[in-house]
Amino acid sequence: DAKTTQPNSMESNEEEPVHLPCNHSTISGTDYIHWYRQLPSQGPEYVIHGLTSNVNNRMASLAIAEDRKSSTLILHRATLRDAAVYYCILSASGTYKYIFGTGTRLKVLA
Amino acid sequence: GAGVSQSPSNKVTEKGKDVELRCDPISGHTALYWYRQSLGQGLEFLIYFQGNSAPDKSGLPSDRFSAERTGGSVSTLTIQRTQQEDSAVYLCASSSGILTGTGELFFGEGSRLTVL
Repeated sequence: DAKTTQPNSMESNEEEPVHLPCNHSTISGTDYIHWYRQLPSQGPEYVIHGLTSNVNNRMASLAIAEDRKSSTLILHRATLRDAAVYYCILSASGTYKYIFGTGTRLKVLA
Repeated sequence: GAGVSQSPSNKVTEKGKDVELRCDPISGHTALYWYRQSLGQGLEFLIYFQGNSAPDKSGLPSDRFSAERTGGSVSTLTIQRTQQEDSAVYLCASSSGILTGTGELFFGEGSRLTVL
């Protein structure tokens, strides 16, 4: 299974942008990059996913490096409700085993 | 709501007892997962069901753990002769279209198991 590497924790001030990095140097051509987040005492929830091109949705943006060996989840204006653990996961077409690492714990300061 | 439902939300049991945890996935979702999350840790894959195919049980930590999915819908995770190290939150997720690599997982809120 392709692995991802994320910092254990990050801090951000409220109302400022947050860039959460993920390294996936062993990614293969068919691997999609997914981000999930887990709010306190809840199950994880989907944030965004992409393959090669940058992606935007109502929650966040996903910037994928040209060589696809890294990606960045961008929260444009962090709020206190964005405090969570953010997981970067790879999945290949035709497989189903989503492997969650330990993620990045984001703390948002008021 | 129409989300993934898990029960019980909390279960306290004594070491050596058997426990059953239930998951009711989103209607129509053919894929169902069980994960385990110990305190302060990431999610550990346990088992995966897809339609009528044989489940992938490769993540079950021991033969004390088993799971079934009846009628392609509700799933039960059973832990026999519980041990203290089984204490964790057990999360269930369901999905459709997972085999495209783009399928979104929908998680329940989990069942917190405490083994005394």
